[in-house]
Amino acid sequence: GAVVSQHPSWVICKSGTSVKIECRSLDFQATTMFWYRQFPKQSLMLMATSNEGSKATYEQGVEKDKFLINHASLTLSTLTVTSAHPEDSSFYICSARGGLAGAGSGTDTQYFGPGTRLTVL
Amino acid sequence: GENVEQHPSTLSVQEGDSAVIKCTYSDSASNYFPWYKQELGKGPQLIIDIRSNVGEKKDQRIAVTLNKTAKHFSLHITETQPEDSAVYFCAPRMDSSYKLIFGSGTRLLVRP
Repeated sequence: GAVVSQHPSWVICKSGTSVKIECRSLDFQATTMFWYRQFPKQSLMLMATSNEGSKATYEQGVEKDKFLINHASLTLSTLTVTSAHPEDSSFYICSARGGLAGAGSGTDTQYFGPGTRLTVL
Repeated sequence: GENVEQHPSTLSVQEGDSAVIKCTYSDSASNYFPWYKQELGKGPQLIIDIRSNVGEKKDQRIAVTLNKTAKHFSLHITETQPEDSAVYFCAPRMDSSYKLIFGSGTRLLVRP
């Protein structure tokens, strides 16, 4: 099946610093990648959608200058949390769409990464 | 926008029993209906999905049924096992946007 990786799996940083999270599709080319945020015991909330080579589309209420997304290739997207603060501490998960048909019904299936736990002190 | 409701929020069953989780959505344009399983500290894993031109789909112990008229779809797990314990999310989607709108989740506990 399709595999999506994230790096790092966890990160702790000081308030005011920036953190970059990578999302890679390992065995397929991702037409679109998505970034989600999940707080403890809550559901996943979509932050933004990115297509290779174009600017990301952010959901309402998500600050694009704070959460910088770059989708430089069909297998890599990065999320940079700039000037992180304790309230940004969360579980960040990416997903990728496109490529081979795995457990889903076709190439439109979204496959999720393992997530990155960010803790801002 | 799409409004998604998922019930129940928690479900406890005895090993071997069946579990059913229901998801109700509001947007009649939705035409793709996946179910994801999330274990603690991990990303969601697709376990089964269905498209709007199909009423039911089964994969071993897992099945999904869809009622487009009533705008709801359900996850059925038979012969539950302790390893089925996790949080399950429905996430209906419109093809035009490819965005998944996640339900609030159901915490399933299978008691040995």
